[in-house]
Amino acid sequence: AQKVTQAQTEISVVEKEDVTLDCVYETRDTTYYLFWYKQPPSGELVFLIRRNSFDEQNEISGRYSWNFQKSTSSFNFTITASQVVDSAVYFCALMGIQGAQKLVFGQGTRLTINP
Amino acid sequence: KAGVTQTPRYLIKTRGQQVTLSCSPISGHRSVSWYQQTPGQGLQFLFEYFSETQRNKGNFPGRFSGRQFSNSRSEMNVSTLELGDSALYLCASSSSGGYQETQYFGPGTRLLVL
Repeated sequence: AQKVTQAQTEISVVEKEDVTLDCVYETRDTTYYLFWYKQPPSGELVFLIRRNSFDEQNEISGRYSWNFQKSTSSFNFTITASQVVDSAVYFCALMGIQGAQKLVFGQGTRLTINP
Repeated sequence: KAGVTQTPRYLIKTRGQQVTLSCSPISGHRSVSWYQQTPGQGLQFLFEYFSETQRNKGNFPGRFSGRQFSNSRSEMNVSTLELGDSALYLCASSSSGGYQETQYFGPGTRLLVL
């Protein structure tokens, strides 16, 4: 079975602080993809990043960075110099080869950036 | 390119009624997936359609059904509504439905069952 755990239910920080959202996953598939989505109050899930199981390089996109460690089954997301607009619920998700086009989501982390 | 669109955006129904939600994928996308989001259960996969065929189904009762049309638009239907069906229903599309593809989500339909 596949499972994604986001242990942090809610995080609240002051603007300009760095914040890391944790994601731990379980899968028996040797080939799989990991995703992060952002859900603002409007409800739409906004795609942020996709990473395949064979690519453990960290990725940086502006203030966002992702750390994928296969050895610990983790795919953590860091926002540097957070801004109020980063406030949202963030979801980590897993898609394995066995469950094509079926995303398994974590419970989400509600991030609040206070001015 | 226009994104995924869902109609209606909000819906209020009473127990026992049925409801049909609609999803139009991104132009050229042929795979459509549906998810239910509730505070208690989080985001759960309902089903996925590709070329008018259901390829994947989540663990939901038979009251939840769907279909896809030849233009890739999809509908999902919930019959005999229960209070627990109140949720945000999200539709997502991808190009050809391969396991490596990113799903792009619509704004959702918020269903309230009274």
